[in-house]
Amino acid sequence: AQSVSQHNHHVILSEAASLELGCNYSYGGTVNLFWYVQYPGQHLQLLLKYFSGDPLVKGIKGFEAEFIKSKFSFNLRKPSVQWSDTAEYFCAVTGGAGGSYIPTFGRGTSLIVHP
Amino acid sequence: GAGVSQSPSNKVTEKGKDVELRCDPISGHTALYWYRQRLGQGLEFLIYFQGNSAPDKSGLPSDRFSAERTGESVSTLTIQRTQQEDSAVYLCASSLEASGSYEQYFGPGTRLTVT
Repeated sequence: AQSVSQHNHHVILSEAASLELGCNYSYGGTVNLFWYVQYPGQHLQLLLKYFSGDPLVKGIKGFEAEFIKSKFSFNLRKPSVQWSDTAEYFCAVTGGAGGSYIPTFGRGTSLIVHP
Repeated sequence: GAGVSQSPSNKVTEKGKDVELRCDPISGHTALYWYRQRLGQGLEFLIYFQGNSAPDKSGLPSDRFSAERTGESVSTLTIQRTQQEDSAVYLCASSLEASGSYEQYFGPGTRLTVT
């Protein structure tokens, strides 16, 4: 079965620092990749997604992610974080070997940005 | 428009009691998912409904867990004879279809505490 690893469980940064959150999945093939974000007190919501085409995906609020097929990775990046980026971030994958349309989620990364 | 709603937002119950959790998906969304999120963990898939097809129950942890959905509307997750390990946030999500390439829209969750 597909599995998703998010290597950083807790990240603490100061404003204006650069951010990279790791995400690796286990089974290759055709995959759809997602990053979801949960701001304090709010619902989980989509940050960005990759289905095909350009492996560098732009999302909301200046976030981007790069799909590297050879590394089974889909890391999330932002060049300069803001206090308002404090949230929980989840990577999710559908497809891959077996082709499951049910998303497999990573355990999440808690990001705290100090002003 | 209205998003996914869940009720109750919080539920405290005694060990051994039954609980019912409700989810109202976005109108027109044929796919509905239930997840469980334990503290510090990722989202654990429980069950999935797609239109009038038989639900995918592969994620239900035991026969104490069951869920129903009326057509393409409301869904109810029932946990019988609750145990302390059932304490978690139960999340519901809906999507237009279950092809794996549609984003999921999440509700606010129900926080279940079993004492």
